[in-house]
Amino acid sequence: EAAVTQSPRSKVAVTGGKVTLSCHQTNNHDYMYWYRQDTGHGLRLIHYSYVADSTEKGDIPDGYKASRPSQENFSLILELASLSQTAVYFCASSGGHRENTLYFGAGTRLSVL
Amino acid sequence: GDSVTQKEGLVTLTEGLPVMLNCTYQTIYSNAFLFWYVHYLNESPRLLLKSSTDNKRTEHQGFHATLHKSSSSFHLQKSSAQLSDSALYYCALRGASSSFSKLVFGQGTSLSVVP
Repeated sequence: EAAVTQSPRSKVAVTGGKVTLSCHQTNNHDYMYWYRQDTGHGLRLIHYSYVADSTEKGDIPDGYKASRPSQENFSLILELASLSQTAVYFCASSGGHRENTLYFGAGTRLSVL
Repeated sequence: GDSVTQKEGLVTLTEGLPVMLNCTYQTIYSNAFLFWYVHYLNESPRLLLKSSTDNKRTEHQGFHATLHKSSSSFHLQKSSAQLSDSALYYCALRGASSSFSKLVFGQGTSLSVVP
C-alpha cells in the first residue's frame, strides 16, 4: 500500500513566523504535490515536483516555497506566515502517467494566529 | 484553462435514498480523464473511481459514474445511501495530453447521510 507521511499533523504558528511542513513518501513516485484545502475552494495546488532538487509553481504559490531534497521528501515552507494561510495542507505523490492515482497524506492542520 | 464544477456544496440525504453528486468540467482536450476522490473525516483523501472511455460506466464500492463527453459530465451515483457514505467528495480532471498535467479539483461536495 502506498504511504505518504506528513509532519506535523497540526501546528499553531504566529503571524510573521516561519513554518515548515514536511512530507515523506515510500511509493518510489517521481511526482509530489502540496495542496491546500479550504471550504468552498476544494483542493488547490501550491507547488509540485517531478524530480529531486527541482520544484514547480502550482496555482496558488504566492507566500509559499517548496523544497525537494530527495525523491522521498518534499517540504512546504512559509517564510512569513499570515492569517490567510490558516488551512489544512495535504501532500500527495503519484506516478508520471496522467491516469495515475494521487496518494495523499493525512494532512496538516495549520492555524496562524 | 481546465476547470471542474460541483454545484452542490452540501447534500443531505436520508439513508436508503439514491445518491447523485453532480460534476461538470471544461477542457479543450478531447482525451480527458475524470476522477472522484473521497475524503472521510480523519482520513486521507483517496481515489474512489476514475473514468473509462466515453459513455462507459465505471464502478467501485457501490458507486458508479459514466463519462459523458457530449455534456462534459461525470456525475457520481449510488443506488442506496449508507450512513458510512458521509464524506467530502471531490471531482477532478486531468485534461492535457502532455506527459505531465496537473489534476484540477472541483470545490467538493459534502455528503451527509442521516437515519
